[in-house]
Amino acid sequence: NAGVTQTPKFRILKIGQSMTLQCTQDMNHNYMYWYRQDPGMGLKLIYYSVGAGITDKGEVPNGYNVSRSTTEDFPLRLELAAPSQTSVYFCASSRRQGESPLHFGNGTRLTVT
Amino acid sequence: DQQVKQNSPSLSVQEGRISILNCDYTNSMFDYFLWYKKYPAEGPTFLISISSIKDKNEDGRFTVFLNKSAKHLSLHIVPSQPGDSAVYFCAASGLRGGSNYKLTFGKGTLLTVNP
Repeated sequence: NAGVTQTPKFRILKIGQSMTLQCTQDMNHNYMYWYRQDPGMGLKLIYYSVGAGITDKGEVPNGYNVSRSTTEDFPLRLELAAPSQTSVYFCASSRRQGESPLHFGNGTRLTVT
Repeated sequence: DQQVKQNSPSLSVQEGRISILNCDYTNSMFDYFLWYKKYPAEGPTFLISISSIKDKNEDGRFTVFLNKSAKHLSLHIVPSQPGDSAVYFCAASGLRGGSNYKLTFGKGTLLTVNP
């Protein structure tokens, strides 16, 4: 079973370019999340979704957009990439809210130069 | 303003001994705590959790202790094995107030278990 799949694994962008980080899960989880992890730091929540068609901002949403048209997919869009967006991005999902651990993908390492 | 703090960036122990990883939190609304383990180039994987109604939860070699009055939790690994070498993240959330799906993570502790 695949769990949470993220593509691409690596990407280098020039300043001002745009891209979409893909995330899909096959566990039929309603809840999905995007986190970023900067070197030596914990994970910070960018956006989350509690179900198809419902998204909301997390702690660090500026410079990003998301959509949730299906239960399985939760893409993260970067418009006008900036060096401050150089990070490792993790997508995660969970079965329910409350006492339900998150299942993470293996991450996308993004460098903006 | 860190609400979840892991003050030790790294910890080194000998194989077979106990590893103790510590975590402090400041938000009194947190009542559900988790530990995640992360290998290089992989995503974090869930290890063990504890809710505030308990002060201990055990799963095999892993035990989490919660001291609510001190706002402190710890993860004990006994005995430690070289395969336990990874970064360990402490995370917390509040089950009350509608924000229970938002986890707050610490910065992580790199555990190295030497053969």
